[in-house]
Amino acid sequence: DAGVIQSPRHEVTEMGQEVTLRCKPISGHNSLFWYRQTMMRGLELLIYFNNNVPIDDSGMPEDRFSAKMPNASFSTLKIQPSEPRDSAVYFCASREDTTYEQYFGPGTRLTVT
Amino acid sequence: DAKTTQPTSMDCAEGRAANLPCNHSTISGNEYVYWYRQIHSQGPQYIIHGLKNNETNEMASLIITEDRKSSTLILPHATLRDTAVYYCIVRVDNYGQNFVFGPGTRLSVLP
Repeated sequence: DAGVIQSPRHEVTEMGQEVTLRCKPISGHNSLFWYRQTMMRGLELLIYFNNNVPIDDSGMPEDRFSAKMPNASFSTLKIQPSEPRDSAVYFCASREDTTYEQYFGPGTRLTVT
Repeated sequence: DAKTTQPTSMDCAEGRAANLPCNHSTISGNEYVYWYRQIHSQGPQYIIHGLKNNETNEMASLIITEDRKSSTLILPHATLRDTAVYYCIVRVDNYGQNFVFGPGTRLSVLP
């Protein structure tokens, strides 16, 4: 398997623009997680899905952030409108519920100017 | 979830064992100890986990004290590629299993 796939790997956008980050989990995994990492706050869980259903979105910073998982092989994290403080590396991870290990993708480095 | 405490940074000579400590004095009986690491510019990577027995895999060994209030991750023969931030996480292995990552220990393996 290719592992967790994220796109784009780098995104530079201007404040106010909409940003969509994409994630393809490992086939057969039924839990998916979105994390954000910054120097100031470290690695934070934003939201996680189980069997395509959002289970806990308490980490989503505000209404500008939304996440969807329309099927088992695809998820998006959208920021609209984006702000400079959203600049971070966003990681997607997936897990099969019978195991203990989360597999992380390579991340998307977002820069909002 | 129990809080964990780790040293901010550590150095280790290449080829020597790296011993990374973690304190989790408020751990509950049903909470597991997990270790992940993050190499620069990559996503975190699972290393090992345990409940109360010592565990070993191809990457590392995990030693958990009898009272379970602390643990040590051991990399038996550290290489330069082991330079990373190492996270100790305590979590009940339940539905969803979302992890809370603390600041971790920055391990520098020196030539």
